[in-house]
Amino acid sequence: NAGVTQTPKFRVLKTGQSMTLLCAQDMNHEYMYWYRQDPGMGLRLIHYSVGEGTTAKGEVPDGYNVSRLKKQNFLLGLESAAPSQTSVYFCAARWGYEQYFGPGTRLTVT
Amino acid sequence: RKEVEQDPGPFNVPEGATVAFNCTYSNSASQSFFWYRQDCRKEPKLLMSVYSSGNEDGRFTAQLNRASQYISLLIRDSKLSDSATYLCVVEGYNNNDMRFGAGTRLTVKP
Repeated sequence: NAGVTQTPKFRVLKTGQSMTLLCAQDMNHEYMYWYRQDPGMGLRLIHYSVGEGTTAKGEVPDGYNVSRLKKQNFLLGLESAAPSQTSVYFCAARWGYEQYFGPGTRLTVT
Repeated sequence: RKEVEQDPGPFNVPEGATVAFNCTYSNSASQSFFWYRQDCRKEPKLLMSVYSSGNEDGRFTAQLNRASQYISLLIRDSKLSDSATYLCVVEGYNNNDMRFGAGTRLTVKP
């Protein structure tokens, strides 16, 4: 039982490149979330999903897109990366009010 | 004003000390409150929920003051292993999401 996994763990992108971060959960939870964490800012919600086929915007959605085609997977896309998107990205799956987080993806945009 | 505010610290305390953290929130309609713990370069993990009547889990006590819109975490008999960042989490305006404080860093020294 792996819980929540994230792929990749690290990535360096050049400005303007695109990429997709994958979040996978094996807990069958309905709710999934993508956050970014920056120094001094705490975790900020990018997008979330309340079930397969649904997505919604969070606090800081600009520059990101998401998809939840399968219940167990939640994808975060960056179409044209910018240096301001350098951050640590965490995915979470929620049961009740408890969120279970993945180990994070460290993304650097140069 | 941020939705969830915490004293960033750092709090540096000796082993065995008692330490308290406060967190204020702006959404008076919030019904759910939590403390998460995050170790350096790791994902956040749920420490405890915060109930209206207050709750205790071993050395940890959480309190909620709705009138003043703050929650607190008290750690008694601090251990070296308590060194971490403590995140205050409050239900957002949309109860599908949670809002995180920036965290309070605690270092317990021998």
